[in-house]
Amino acid sequence: GENVEQHPSTLSVQEGDSAVIKCTYSDSASNYFPWYKQELGKGPQLIIDIRSNVGEKKDQRIAVTLNKTAKHFSLHITETQPEDSAVYFCAAKGGSTLGRLYFGRGTQLTVWP
Amino acid sequence: NAGVTQTPKFRILKIGQSMTLQCTQDMNHNYMYWYRQDPGMGLKLIYYSVGAGITDKGEVPNGYNVSRSTTEDFPLRLELAAPSQTSVYFCASSSGGMNTEAFFGQGTRLTVV
Repeated sequence: GENVEQHPSTLSVQEGDSAVIKCTYSDSASNYFPWYKQELGKGPQLIIDIRSNVGEKKDQRIAVTLNKTAKHFSLHITETQPEDSAVYFCAAKGGSTLGRLYFGRGTQLTVWP
Repeated sequence: NAGVTQTPKFRILKIGQSMTLQCTQDMNHNYMYWYRQDPGMGLKLIYYSVGAGITDKGEVPNGYNVSRSTTEDFPLRLELAAPSQTSVYFCASSSGGMNTEAFFGQGTRLTVV
């Protein structure tokens, strides 16, 4: 099956700085890569996703890049704010996995005011 | 607009007891999933279902059972609870296909003592 690696496991930044979280995947057939944000005591919530036919996608302060050749994708958050503090998960979904998502281990992002 | 609803939110079980975690969704999604989340380990798939009457094992199915008699409901059964099943459990659903968002419930925090 798919194996998704996520780094770093923890990330602390000053408010206003940028944060970058990186993920790699193993299955070249994977074609959908969502990012989820999980706030304390809540379930994960989709914040952005990218499909394999796209190299980059941006939504306000959040962007995701995908390098299919290298099998890695990254989440970029600019102008970070304290409310960005949460656990972020990357995931990958492949063509042969009937909708199954494989998750990274998560990154605890802390934004200091 | 309920989305995915899980009950209970918290539960303490004694070793050897059984219980059912309830999950229901009102989005008419075909795909439903059960994940467990352990600290620093991301989300591991326990079981999933691609439609009523169809279920299949995920990465960590041992000690669990599921059923899917209706589109809306996907209960997870724990038989003979063990301390290793102490975790936070999330139910999720999606409309299926290759590139669709998964919606998560709020989670059930289970402690086995």
